[in-house]
Amino acid sequence: ELKVEQNPLFLSMQEGKNYTIYCNYSTTSDRLYWYRQDPGKSLESLFVLLSNGAVKQEGRLMASLDTKARLSTLHITAAVHDLSATYFCAVRINQAGTALIFGKGTTLSVSS
Amino acid sequence: EAQVTQNPRYLITVTGKKLTVTCSQNMNHEYMSWYRQDPGLGLRQIYYSMNVEVTDKGDVPEGYKVSRKEKRNFPLILESPSPNQTSLYFCASSSHGGGGTDTQYFGPGTRLTVL
Repeated sequence: ELKVEQNPLFLSMQEGKNYTIYCNYSTTSDRLYWYRQDPGKSLESLFVLLSNGAVKQEGRLMASLDTKARLSTLHITAAVHDLSATYFCAVRINQAGTALIFGKGTTLSVSS
Repeated sequence: EAQVTQNPRYLITVTGKKLTVTCSQNMNHEYMSWYRQDPGLGLRQIYYSMNVEVTDKGDVPEGYKVSRKEKRNFPLILESPSPNQTSLYFCASSSHGGGGTDTQYFGPGTRLTVL
């Protein structure tokens, strides 16, 4: 069975702290996506990681991909309240990119 | 403005009453998908389409139908809705190609309640 597991599922952080969200997947894939969802809203694309060793950064978020370990990380640096949201990773399982398996999401709450 | 639109945004219906949720995109994307989102389960793919008249099942297709007669539209049909189809539904589209251009763009969501 194809699985995408995120850890932790819930994360309460203080502003200014650093933390990492982990995304493990059980099938071979060369492409991994990170999305953000605010409460009651749709999903917004954050990163697309295309190959082993890929690293992408946007503001306080940095994502990386290790295809050999089947692991992606989303690192949060010096968290701020605006980063409070649910973060999903998703793995594509066909070359067309049309079939994605999502993790269950990590709900991040940043407080002062 | 590039966007994926869904209608209706909210729907309350009764068991067995056929309904259709429409999805339209204005980005000329080849690929379109339907997902459902349930608490604790994340997003699960229902159906996807790689182009006009080409559709395939995702993880949870039972109880749903789709059609792709036009490139921009991908309606989701529930022939006989049941309470276990109460969920938040998202339509998404993406273009063909590598380099990250197959990122899926999501619609605003349709919250469906089946009584």
